[in-house]
Amino acid sequence: AQSVTQLDSHVSVSEGTPVLLRCNYSSSYSPSLFWYVQHPNKGLQLLLKYTSAATLVKGINGFEAEFKKSETSFHLTKPSAHMSDAAEYFCVVSEGPGGYNKLIFGAGTRLAVHP
Amino acid sequence: DADVTQTPRNRITKTGKRIMLECSQTKGHDRMYWYRQDPGLGLRLIYYSFDVKDINKGEISDGYSVSRQAQAKFSLSLESAIPNQTALYFCATSDADARAGRDTQYFGPGTRLTVL
Repeated sequence: AQSVTQLDSHVSVSEGTPVLLRCNYSSSYSPSLFWYVQHPNKGLQLLLKYTSAATLVKGINGFEAEFKKSETSFHLTKPSAHMSDAAEYFCVVSEGPGGYNKLIFGAGTRLAVHP
Repeated sequence: DADVTQTPRNRITKTGKRIMLECSQTKGHDRMYWYRQDPGLGLRLIYYSFDVKDINKGEISDGYSVSRQAQAKFSLSLESAIPNQTALYFCATSDADARAGRDTQYFGPGTRLTVL
């Protein structure tokens, strides 16, 4: 069965410094992987998506993630944090076979950005 | 205008009351989903529907029911609300992708439900 582990529940960075949010997954199949962001009192917005094409996936707002099958990881990075990046981030794996796109969510990582 | 809308956005109710949460979408997607979000648990699937005549239970369907009134509308009901159903509820939609598991889900803004 699929599962997702976000290794940090909270990450705090200074504005202008790199961001790294870590995600490990387990999957019996070739997974689809997603990162979603949730700003306070807002819905979930798709940041980026991996579906077995290029292993380095570029998303919105300067974020990118690299799929590493050997490490079963899909870490999210950004070279330089902005105050507006403060939010909660969810790593998600899709349980695909059978045509049923069940999403398995990680518990979330809350990113704080300090001036 | 938002592609996926939810009403109400906030609701406070009492134990034992019947509550309906509504979701509408203008994306033209066939698939719709209801999730609940609890702190530290991410999102968990309550029900999903692949079309008007196809409704399926998710991982936490007990205490909930749904109705798919049209392609664009999917409502979630709590027949007799209880305090542990206090949560943030999200509706989502997706378009079927021939490659199983590849479709992207798009989420509404959420409904914050409090059961006293």
